[in-house]
Amino acid sequence: SQKIEQNSEALNIQEGKTATLTCNYTNYSPAYLQWYRQDPGRGPVFLLLIRENEKEKRKERLKVTFDTTLKQSLFHITASQPADSATYLCALLSGGSYIPTFGRGTSLIVHP
Amino acid sequence: DAGVIQSPRHEVTEMGQEVTLRCKPISGHNSLFWYRQTMMRGLELLIYFNNNVPIDDSGMPEDRFSAKMPNASFSTLKIQPSEPRDSAVYFCASSLGGQDNQPQHFGDGTRLSIL
Repeated sequence: SQKIEQNSEALNIQEGKTATLTCNYTNYSPAYLQWYRQDPGRGPVFLLLIRENEKEKRKERLKVTFDTTLKQSLFHITASQPADSATYLCALLSGGSYIPTFGRGTSLIVHP
Repeated sequence: DAGVIQSPRHEVTEMGQEVTLRCKPISGHNSLFWYRQTMMRGLELLIYFNNNVPIDDSGMPEDRFSAKMPNASFSTLKIQPSEPRDSAVYFCASSLGGQDNQPQHFGDGTRLSIL
């Protein structure tokens, strides 16, 4: 069955460092991969989308990579700030599908 | 622009009672999704509407759950009768249809507690 894995343990890092979160998947051939941010008590908010034929996508301090051979996406936040503390979810979509499958998310805690 | 609006934000009710959750999608979005989020299972899709028509309801747990979308600006998710295991945060999301890479815009959810 399709499976998406995100580290269930929280990632603790120091302000100013680069945070790297991982999204691994099995039994899936996604055409797109999305990353969302979720704050406590709020709904997920879309951050970035990367296509299967793209290796890397950037937006301000965010960078996403997509390796279809390794079946993995990495999400990087450079120069992290305490305000970046949140849960980050990856979501995969097959080509032609309107319904993403979400990972369970990884909590990021940036310490001042 | 107003985002996806859900009501109520919190609902506490006793087992066996009917629960109705409401959602107003973003104007112009023609796809609407209902999700349930728990610590154990993460974010699970319950049902997906396109142009007010239910397209995929395979995630609806059982007959106690029903969803409607009478028009483009309103949807409900109903649980009758409710059970303690239905306790979760329920999210509504909308997106632009027509392309399969559109991001979803989520409401802030309804936190449901069934006693």
